[in-house]
Amino acid sequence: EVQLVESGGGLVQPGGSLRLSCAASGFTFSSSWMSWVRQAPGKGLEWVANIKQDGSEKYYVDSVKGRFTISRDNAKNSLYLQMNSLRAEDTAVYYCASDHYYGPNGHWGQGTLVIVSS
Amino acid sequence: QTVVTQEPSFSVSPGGTVTLTCGLTSGSVSTSYYPSWYQQTPGQAPRTLIYSTNSRSSGVPDRFSGSILGNKAALTITGAQADDESDYYCVLYMGSDHYVFGTGTKVTVL
Repeated sequence: EVQLVESGGGLVQPGGSLRLSCAASGFTFSSSWMSWVRQAPGKGLEWVANIKQDGSEKYYVDSVKGRFTISRDNAKNSLYLQMNSLRAEDTAVYYCASDHYYGPNGHWGQGTLVIVSS
Repeated sequence: QTVVTQEPSFSVSPGGTVTLTCGLTSGSVSTSYYPSWYQQTPGQAPRTLIYSTNSRSSGVPDRFSGSILGNKAALTITGAQADDESDYYCVLYMGSDHYVFGTGTKVTVL
């Protein structure tokens, strides 16, 4: 059974940092592009970043460039999102998803909630 | 900035057919945008229904189908059931490994 389990969310002050993790199992993690997608409370989905199988290519939505860093550890079947200089507008549930074919259209985790507030 | 547009809401009768669309504020959607579709119920993670315009994900019932209709991507639900009542999102590949989600459509079955 495929599982993606996010962790690391929580309450953080504006300007602070947080590192999200996503533990993958049940599929060949090292063969999959992976994505982070977020959803602000009551709002729609927003693609945040993705990373190639070997970590050599990374792409970001403009609003997080220079603040967020996506990474992976294939030996640990894990995906990460380092979030720095957090803003109130980064408040959202963050989902990790596997990319099946041009996009985050494979399996999804249940998400982890990040709240940026003083 | 490109916005991917979807109808805000749709209502369908049980057993009926509904077609949701996914368009661009500027330009036409084609297969080169590799549209995908997702279903999301409140409090749950999205579930992938369709990828690459018209390929169904594993386990997705064949009452869900994807296509290009005119200048938009489309998701058709044929024989709607009560548990199809959800929010539906599309996503388009915008090139340079960037993706933009649509605004979402709330489907009510009644």
